[in-house]
Amino acid sequence: GAVVSQHPSWVICKSGTSVKIECRSLDFQATTMFWYRQFPKQSLMLMATSNEGSKATYEQGVEKDKFLINHASLTLSTLTVTSAHPEDSSFYICSASPTGWKEKLFFGSGTQLSVL
Amino acid sequence: DAKTTQPTSMDCAEGRAANLPCNHSTISGNEYVYWYRQIHSQGPQYIIHGLKNNETNEMASLIITEDRKSSTLILPHATLRDTAVYYCIVRTGTASKLTFGTGTRLQVTL
Repeated sequence: GAVVSQHPSWVICKSGTSVKIECRSLDFQATTMFWYRQFPKQSLMLMATSNEGSKATYEQGVEKDKFLINHASLTLSTLTVTSAHPEDSSFYICSASPTGWKEKLFFGSGTQLSVL
Repeated sequence: DAKTTQPTSMDCAEGRAANLPCNHSTISGNEYVYWYRQIHSQGPQYIIHGLKNNETNEMASLIITEDRKSSTLILPHATLRDTAVYYCIVRTGTASKLTFGTGTRLQVTL
């Protein structure tokens, strides 16, 4: 199956700093990528849809100025958590579908963010 | 996308078949049934999907009722590595995003 690589796997940062998470489609091109967040023992919640070459679409209640998304190429999307606070500590997961093959959505391995 | 209802948790003995039910009574004619699973602290893994016919692949079988209001994911010979949360999701074929419900936590035991 198609591979989605996410980096880093885990990150610890101080409160007030910014953290960037990368999501790459390794063997396919993805016009659209998705960012999810998951708190312990809860389901995945969609944060935003990342579109190559255009602005991301954020779900209701997600602050676009806090969670900056950039999708500069067909194989890379980044999520930057700006001015992180302890309540932003969570498991962040990206996903992507091969362009022209929207039936399947593949997921990265996730990034565990801990803000101290 | 239509909502789904799944049992919160299930147990299965190793080597036995695991049958995970899903109710999607409000499914539309153009919506597919997808199954993903998430092993602890990992990203979700695609298992199988179908529209109205039963489907089988190397991982599992998907049985969809004739009225399409419910389906069952079958893991024919469950192993300890199949312990995970299993999500049943309905989604149109052209839609992009997946909306996750609470899923079923399957515990495979010796």
